[in-house]
Amino acid sequence: DAGVIQSPRHEVTEMGQEVTLRCKPISGHNSLFWYRQTMMRGLELLIYFNNNVPIDDSGMPEDRFSAKMPNASFSTLKIQPSEPRDSAVYFCASSFRGLNEQFFGPGTRLTVL
Amino acid sequence: AQTVTQSQPEMSVQEAETVTLSCTYDTSESNYYLFWYKQPPSRQMILVIRQEAYKQQNATENRFSVNFQKAAKSFSLKISDSQLGDTAMYFCAFSIIQGAQKLVFGQGTRLTINP
Repeated sequence: DAGVIQSPRHEVTEMGQEVTLRCKPISGHNSLFWYRQTMMRGLELLIYFNNNVPIDDSGMPEDRFSAKMPNASFSTLKIQPSEPRDSAVYFCASSFRGLNEQFFGPGTRLTVL
Repeated sequence: AQTVTQSQPEMSVQEAETVTLSCTYDTSESNYYLFWYKQPPSRQMILVIRQEAYKQQNATENRFSVNFQKAAKSFSLKISDSQLGDTAMYFCAFSIIQGAQKLVFGQGTRLTINP
């Protein structure tokens, strides 16, 4: 198994631009999580899906952030418009509901200038 | 709401020594999971060990073991015979069993193993 795949690995953009982060969970997993890691706030959950349905998006910081999971093998996290304070590492993780073990992707390091 | 606290921002030991990382948590749940994740400089999050709260026996994985004290809400990680490759950030995390299975993380402990 290839594990959780995230793209891009690095993204540098200018303030105001739209950013789309992508995630492919492990095949067979039915829960998907988006986390953000910053020095100030550590690792925090943004949103998670069960069976492609968003369950808890209370961690999404603002309306500028949106996430979708159109099918079991793909999810996106979009920031529009991006701001310098969105600079962080964004992780996607997946699990098989009931086993409580989450497998993380390599993360996307986002820099907003 | 659940919270996880790691009181040691940084630790440093010599290779082959034993080191213990501390973690406390707060929850009103009775059934939950606790985890230790390792994040090396590559930034990949790697699961080190997990503990089910309903199990009294402490989990072990090779050189890694935990000391789980449910009443005290304490969950420490012991690394025996430390190796240079153990150098990383270590995060303690909590997850309830039923319902929302999101992970709540502590702030992390930066562990350095010196040669």
